[in-house]
Amino acid sequence: NAGVMQNPRHLVRRRGQEARLRCSPMKGHSHVYWYRQLPEEGLKFMVYLQKENIIDESGMPKERFSAEFPKEGPSILRIQQVVRGDSAAYFCASSPLSGGPNTEAFFGQGTRLTVV
Amino acid sequence: ILNVEQSPQSLHVQEGDSTNFTCSFPSSNFYALHWYRWETAKSPEALFVMTLNGDEKKKGRISATLNTKEGYSYLYIKGSQPEDSATYLCAFIPLIKAAGNKLTFGGGTRVLVKP
Repeated sequence: NAGVMQNPRHLVRRRGQEARLRCSPMKGHSHVYWYRQLPEEGLKFMVYLQKENIIDESGMPKERFSAEFPKEGPSILRIQQVVRGDSAAYFCASSPLSGGPNTEAFFGQGTRLTVV
Repeated sequence: ILNVEQSPQSLHVQEGDSTNFTCSFPSSNFYALHWYRWETAKSPEALFVMTLNGDEKKKGRISATLNTKEGYSYLYIKGSQPEDSATYLCAFIPLIKAAGNKLTFGGGTRVLVKP
């Protein structure tokens, strides 16, 4: 059973370009969470998705950032018109349908985005 | 804004010594507390999921306790080994409708075990 897969592992974008980060959850997991780690900071929640639904996007910047988790395929975190301040490590986590209090989240290895 | 704090930020431990560190979190609306171990260049890996006041969990030489009434959890490492070197994260989940497993992380305690 493969773990949470994120790609690419490293992504370099010039200012103004778009960045697309992909996350394939563990098999059987229908809940996906995106977290961001800015330099010298801890992991911060961005968005929580279930298949075809955004449940909580309270941690997403209001502009340029969007996320989706389609019926088929990976979850995508899209950042339009990237700026230097978007440089960070972006982590995806997944958990199974039950989502009860004893349910642990499984993390991918992250995508390190560098904006030049 | 949920306040989850970990102390100390970093810890140097001599091999063979035992150590512990703290996570504090809001004592109201408690749902669950997670502990993760995060090695450099790897993904955070769940150590414990704790839900009940007074819970004590153990995995090998690592154990954790939980006090939901006062809002703190301790993580203990007994007889530290170099392979225990990692950042240890705690994450709090409040009892909020449709929160799922939305984790609010502390800043982590970075543990370095010296041979």
